[in-house]
Amino acid sequence: EVQLVESGGGLVQPGRSLRLSCTASGFTFGDYAMSWFRQAPGKGLEWVGFIRSKAYGGTTEYAASVKGRFTISRDDSKSIAYLQMNSLKTEDTAVYYCTRVRVIVSDYWGQGTLVTVSS
Amino acid sequence: DIQMTQSPSSLSASVGDRVTITCRASQGISNYLAWFQQKPGKAPKSLIYAASSLQSGVPSKFSGSGSGTDFTLTISSLQPEDFATYYCQQYNSYPWTFGQGTKVEIK
Repeated sequence: EVQLVESGGGLVQPGRSLRLSCTASGFTFGDYAMSWFRQAPGKGLEWVGFIRSKAYGGTTEYAASVKGRFTISRDDSKSIAYLQMNSLKTEDTAVYYCTRVRVIVSDYWGQGTLVTVSS
Repeated sequence: DIQMTQSPSSLSASVGDRVTITCRASQGISNYLAWFQQKPGKAPKSLIYAASSLQSGVPSKFSGSGSGTDFTLTISSLQPEDFATYYCQQYNSYPWTFGQGTKVEIK
């Protein structure tokens, strides 16, 4: 059974950093791209970024709203995808979801982790 | 960026009704269109990819169609567990973008 579990969320002050983890199980992690999405309270879904599998270079893509501040990485030996978030802003407050990507589209979602940016 | 527009934003329907939600892209996206279902307080669930292909385990009462700029999601016979918010998403080009969502409520 495919499982994705996000962790690392919490309350953080504006300008500070936070790293989210997405621990995967039930599939060969290294064979898949992974993506991060977010959802601000009461709002719709927003794509954050994407990391390709090592077979496709392990390269990344980002939304303009986070480019230069957020970094997605992966540790295939641990089956974990990371979202490093720097220079956080109040508008980054959201539930963050990771997804497995198959054929360039998300198929499985984690349960999400809440990030609150507030002083 | 490609803008995705869903209609309606919300609808009320009864159990057993056939429901159709539309999604329009601001430019052609071929069939690079996915649909997701989200229930309150829960993570989204993937329903359809490539405009019309069901994700594994998704019941056949869900169907999708369309290509280019106009797409539809149809639920053939609405059941209590189908009351949720539905989102379309294009993955033709970065940034991936979503429609604003369609909330399906009980009449």
